Amino acid sequence: KAGVTQTPRYLIKTRGQQVTLSCSPISGHRSVSWYQQTPGQGLQFLFEYFSETQRNKGNFPGRFSGRQFSNSRSEMNVSTLELGDSALYLCASSPGPGLPYEQYFGPGTRLTVT
Amino acid sequence: AQTVTQSQPEMSVQEAETVTLSCTYDTSESNYYLFWYKQPPSRQMILVIRQEAYKQQNATENRFSVNFQKAAKSFSLKISDSQLGDTAMYFCAFMNAGGTSYGKLTFGQGTILTVHP
Repeated sequence: KAGVTQTPRYLIKTRGQQVTLSCSPISGHRSVSWYQQTPGQGLQFLFEYFSETQRNKGNFPGRFSGRQFSNSRSEMNVSTLELGDSALYLCASSPGPGLPYEQYFGPGTRLTVT
Repeated sequence: AQTVTQSQPEMSVQEAETVTLSCTYDTSESNYYLFWYKQPPSRQMILVIRQEAYKQQNATENRFSVNFQKAAKSFSLKISDSQLGDTAMYFCAFMNAGGTSYGKLTFGQGTILTVHP
């Protein structure tokens, strides 16, 4: 089975712009979670989607949003980018709901905001 | 809210030796899952091992095993016969089983492990 894929792998944006990141889960997986990874804050949970519904959300401002499509692919959007949004954004998929709960991660999208 | 603490920012070990990474967590939940993930320098996060809180038996995956002490809220990872490819950042992570914590992993700050030849 192909693993979790994320596009693009690298992105450079300017403050104030918006960005959309994409995640394709492992075939058959219906749950997609997003995380932000920075050296200072570590790994922080953004949100989780299952069957096109957001079931859980972390403590991020409303500038961070996401969605999931009927084929389980997910996108996250960050509007009005700030320098502090520079991070590695990781997407993870799991079969959901129920067991097993382990998540499988993609390679991430490295976002740099200048 | 749950918290996960990894008190060892960096560790090193010689090839073929054994090393133990520490993790403690805090939760009021009784049913949950604990994980160790490995993130090599290439950045792809890989699941190493999983432990269900309701299981008393410690999980084992080849050279990797855990010491799960539920009362002490401790979850350490032992790597036996360390290999150069084990060099990576290791994250301990917690997930509630059900409720409103769908898909949310809470991570520790990570431990950088370096395996020396």
